[in-house]
Amino acid sequence: SAVISQKPSRDICQRGTSLTIQCQVDSQVTMMFWYRQQPGQSLTLIATANQGSEATYESGFVIDKFPISRPNLTFSTLTVSNMSPEDSSIYLCSVLLEWTEAFFGQGTRLTVV
Amino acid sequence: GENVEQHPSTLSVQEGDSAVIKCTYSDSASNYFPWYKQELGKRPQLIIDIRSNVGEKKDQRIAVTLNKTAKHFSLHITETQPEDSAVYFCAASRRAAGNKLTFGGGTRVLVKP
Repeated sequence: SAVISQKPSRDICQRGTSLTIQCQVDSQVTMMFWYRQQPGQSLTLIATANQGSEATYESGFVIDKFPISRPNLTFSTLTVSNMSPEDSSIYLCSVLLEWTEAFFGQGTRLTVV
Repeated sequence: GENVEQHPSTLSVQEGDSAVIKCTYSDSASNYFPWYKQELGKRPQLIIDIRSNVGEKKDQRIAVTLNKTAKHFSLHITETQPEDSAVYFCAASRRAAGNKLTFGGGTRVLVKP
């Protein structure tokens, strides 16, 4: 298994500002992902965080809005930029182990006011 | 890309009865199908998974079946207990796609004592 520490666990932010979420894993992992889970909804993949190269974004998500860093195999950050109330959601990082089993961080509950 | 549909969206069962959740997927190349349980305010956790070379897998009160021809898979929970109340998500992935998971819409299960 993997121990994933994600912070902050929650935040309330003013519209127009940015928030950076950190994800730390206790072991080196090749694949890290960032998901968004809107209230009462399923998980939607934002992007794959690639170590040493630019993240791979899913349709509907762009780098200018959700810049991602992956400086090494144990750490990644997701920034939610120029926030609006529509960005209020839970953001989760995820890692893949044993080539398919995915583990999740505890999530960051973001409220934009 | 992959599309996963999940039914029903809500399921209410009496304690001790069985619960069945069904998912269909669109990408015939998908070869890994996990199920996650998410309790309120917590991260999704893997409860069981199945790979495409297996038709059925069981773990105590939980079982998953896969029909590759029809492109659907199901979660079966027998002898339900109040602690089974949660949201359940199915997902699908294929190794060639970097193992990223596509999630179904989720099923909110309520087990009534």
